[in-house]
Amino acid sequence: RKEVEQDPGPFNVPEGATVAFNCTYSNSASQSFFWYRQDCRKEPKLLMSVYSSGNEDGRFTAQLNRASQYISLLIRDSKLSDSATYLCVVNSISGTYKYIFGTGTRLKVLA
Amino acid sequence: EAGVTQFPSHSVIEKGQTVTLRCDPISGHDNLYWYRRVMGKEIKFLLHFVKESKQDESGMPNNRFLAERTGGTYSTLKVQPAELEDSGVYFCASSQARGTGFHEQYFGPGTRLTVT
Repeated sequence: RKEVEQDPGPFNVPEGATVAFNCTYSNSASQSFFWYRQDCRKEPKLLMSVYSSGNEDGRFTAQLNRASQYISLLIRDSKLSDSATYLCVVNSISGTYKYIFGTGTRLKVLA
Repeated sequence: EAGVTQFPSHSVIEKGQTVTLRCDPISGHDNLYWYRRVMGKEIKFLLHFVKESKQDESGMPNNRFLAERTGGTYSTLKVQPAELEDSGVYFCASSQARGTGFHEQYFGPGTRLTVT
């Protein structure tokens, strides 16, 4: 079983739609959680850190459920420019700061 | 502020040759990480430096890989001798000093390595 699991998609949605991605992680001792965005043949770029109480940044909302070991990302009012792969990332247990990546979820926003 | 830079952007070498990848972290970032993505798989951790010290090298695949960070600034990752399965994209990332907080990592553009 992978440490971080994501639905690879692709998710094809029309402009203006709301789309949600989910991610589960296996290590209950994981400390920090992130969503990164990766465009084709580019590096991962930090989209949001995920706070325990959930957090919002414009059209993006992230939620964390430690009991279920589940992270989500909601994108409202999708734009064409949101088309990318969204990577769920979990920071390892205390003492090391290595990232554990999911395989990513591909999003394509259609005109 | 300059981001993480990596050199070269692409490298094509033959099996058995040696390649050295370089990473310059964001200025002032003590933490430097190497990751690798092979085709069709998720990005995987290789190792973590804090300044010039190796903090965690649990992800290094074998002793053909050697990472250094002399002086605690830039880092090099040498693959010698390269094998076909070493092909992939090698990312470097950096983050600020330890303490509380998220320690967000910022990634360089990667080096695409092809071993033929």
